[in-house]
Amino acid sequence: NAGVTQTPKFQVLKTGQSMTLQCAQDMNHEYMSWYRQDPGMGLRLIHYSVGAGITDQGEVPNGYNVSRSTTEDFPLRLLSAAPSQTSVYFCASRAGGYTGELFFGEGSRLTVL
Amino acid sequence: AQSVTQLGSHVSVSEGALVLLRCNYSSSVPPYLFWYVQYPNQGLQLLLKYTSAATLVKGINGFEAEFKKSETSFHLTKPSAHMSDAAEYFCAVSGSYGQNFVFGPGTRLSVLP
Repeated sequence: NAGVTQTPKFQVLKTGQSMTLQCAQDMNHEYMSWYRQDPGMGLRLIHYSVGAGITDQGEVPNGYNVSRSTTEDFPLRLLSAAPSQTSVYFCASRAGGYTGELFFGEGSRLTVL
Repeated sequence: AQSVTQLGSHVSVSEGALVLLRCNYSSSVPPYLFWYVQYPNQGLQLLLKYTSAATLVKGINGFEAEFKKSETSFHLTKPSAHMSDAAEYFCAVSGSYGQNFVFGPGTRLSVLP
């Protein structure tokens, strides 16, 4: 079972560059989300999607774009990277209903110089 | 709005001692509560969840948590710590009106020999 797959695992960018973090899940989950993890701040929601063609902003959406063209894929785009976006990014999908838990990918560590 | 607090960013226990990690939540609707564990350089893994059935919830690796509505708490316990329990632990809340999770800042557990 692949579950939630994120690529790349590590990336170094220069300020102003753009890039896309890929996320794919094979569990047919309608709900997918992106979080960033910073020391002492837990996980903060960037964007989420409740199904193909539907996306919405989370707590910290500025500087990030998402799209959801298929149930399986939910890429996160950094438009113009800034040092403040240095973080570990996690993609997660949720099983059906409000009681379902989140399933996480292994994370993508991004450094912006 | 929902929020989660975790008392103690770092907890140290001796091997074989009781583990107690604290979590308090704030929610205007009946909450669903979750504990996740994160080992170094890995994603988050579900330990256990409360979804309005039994108030005492048993999870993996010998952990359990008790939902106390009067105290708005969902503390995580394990009777006897093992070296392999050293990790970061996150408490999270989700509500019946939306699918997004809110995470606490995390507690790093160290287990001393």
